[in-house]
Amino acid sequence: QVHLVASGGGVVQPGRSLRLSCAASGFTFDTGSMHWVRQAPGKGLEPVAFISYDGGEKYLADSVEGRFTISRDASKNTLFLQMNSLRREDTAVYYCAKDMSDDGSGPMIYWGQGTLVTVSS
Amino acid sequence: QSVLTQPPSVSGAPGQRVTISCTGSRSNIGADYDIHWYRQFPGTAPKLLIFGTTSRPSGVSDRFSGSKSGTSASLAITGLLAEDEADYYCQSYDSSLSAVVFGGGTKLAVL
Repeated sequence: QVHLVASGGGVVQPGRSLRLSCAASGFTFDTGSMHWVRQAPGKGLEPVAFISYDGGEKYLADSVEGRFTISRDASKNTLFLQMNSLRREDTAVYYCAKDMSDDGSGPMIYWGQGTLVTVSS
Repeated sequence: QSVLTQPPSVSGAPGQRVTISCTGSRSNIGADYDIHWYRQFPGTAPKLLIFGTTSRPSGVSDRFSGSKSGTSASLAITGLLAEDEADYYCQSYDSSLSAVVFGGGTKLAVL
């Protein structure tokens, strides 16, 4: 059974950094392309970042380009999202999700439970 | 402003059929990219409901079905149940953005 467990969220001041983790189990991690999707309070789903199964292809939304980095460690079966220069508008629940396809076009077949990031002074 | 447009809300009585539309453009739905649908209950993660425009994952009721025509797609729910009350999102891929895109979400109310 596939499990994705996101962690690392919390309250952080504007301009500071945070690293999210997503621990994966139940599938061969280095065969799955992965996404980070966020949801601001009361809002819809926003794709944030994508990384291919081998880490060779990455995508970052314009809203986080230059501030966020997505990476993965196959030896730890873990997906990461390094978030720097955080802004109030980054406040959201961050979900990790496994893509059924290799090219990142979806569908996102499995989702983690989400971790809340609150950017506030 | 989402790339894919969904109605903010729809409603129906128990037992009725409702549809949720998802309107895109020639660079996503109209470019023949698949459409996927997710259901989300408050405080929980989204769950895949329909993939590849018309397919259901194992365990999803056949009351849910998907379709597509031109630059629009639809999710149909038949035999509405109170437990169907949730938010529904469509998702596709956009060739102009080279990225996945979501609709803004539709809140379904069962009256």
